[in-house]
Amino acid sequence: GQNIDQPTEMTATEGAIVQINCTYQTSGFNGLFWYQQHAGEAPTFLSYNVLDGLEEKGRFSSFLSRSKGYSYLLLKELQMKDSASYLCVTMDSNYQLIWGAGTKLIIKP
Amino acid sequence: GAVVSQHPSRVICKSGTSVKIECRSLDFQATTMFWYRQFPKQSLMLMATSNEGSKATYEQGVEKDKFLINHASLTLSTLTVTSAHPEDSSFYICSARELRENEPLHFGNGTRLTVT
Repeated sequence: GQNIDQPTEMTATEGAIVQINCTYQTSGFNGLFWYQQHAGEAPTFLSYNVLDGLEEKGRFSSFLSRSKGYSYLLLKELQMKDSASYLCVTMDSNYQLIWGAGTKLIIKP
Repeated sequence: GAVVSQHPSRVICKSGTSVKIECRSLDFQATTMFWYRQFPKQSLMLMATSNEGSKATYEQGVEKDKFLINHASLTLSTLTVTSAHPEDSSFYICSARELRENEPLHFGNGTRLTVT
């Protein structure tokens, strides 16, 4: 079946680094997305990986290993505004999106 | 970057009335638009997939006669909640994907529907 696993909740300190992991099983693979969602708001796009390796975009980086069915989102220099849910989403061979339940990230001063 | 406009952002209606929510892609053509609903502290739940010029594909458990979806053009999809009930109160979010494959999904800002 198709499945995405990511931690339910994580806590980190302002200014620190946090890594949010995501493992997936899909019928075929056409890429993996990370979205950020603040409470009461729509998700916003953070990154897209379709090839193995690390994609860096400012304070946020995303890594993909297709052979391991694994991705992570790395957030550096954490700010209080980074407190949000982070959604791991994969696209299967039929271009259907499979959503993870999201990781709630809590940033403490 | 690509922008998806969703309107209205908030709506309060009385039980039994219908509400229409619009989703527009402002600077790209979207062959496919998706409609989600989200209850507090829960994940997004896909309701239906809307393809331009054809009938929407509804997820299991979603009443197609209650949630009418029309994707009349490559830039506009509408969701109409018919005969709304208090249990329909939720956060409805649309998203759209560009014609090019592997492009990310872009989300509207959502519509908070409250049925009294």
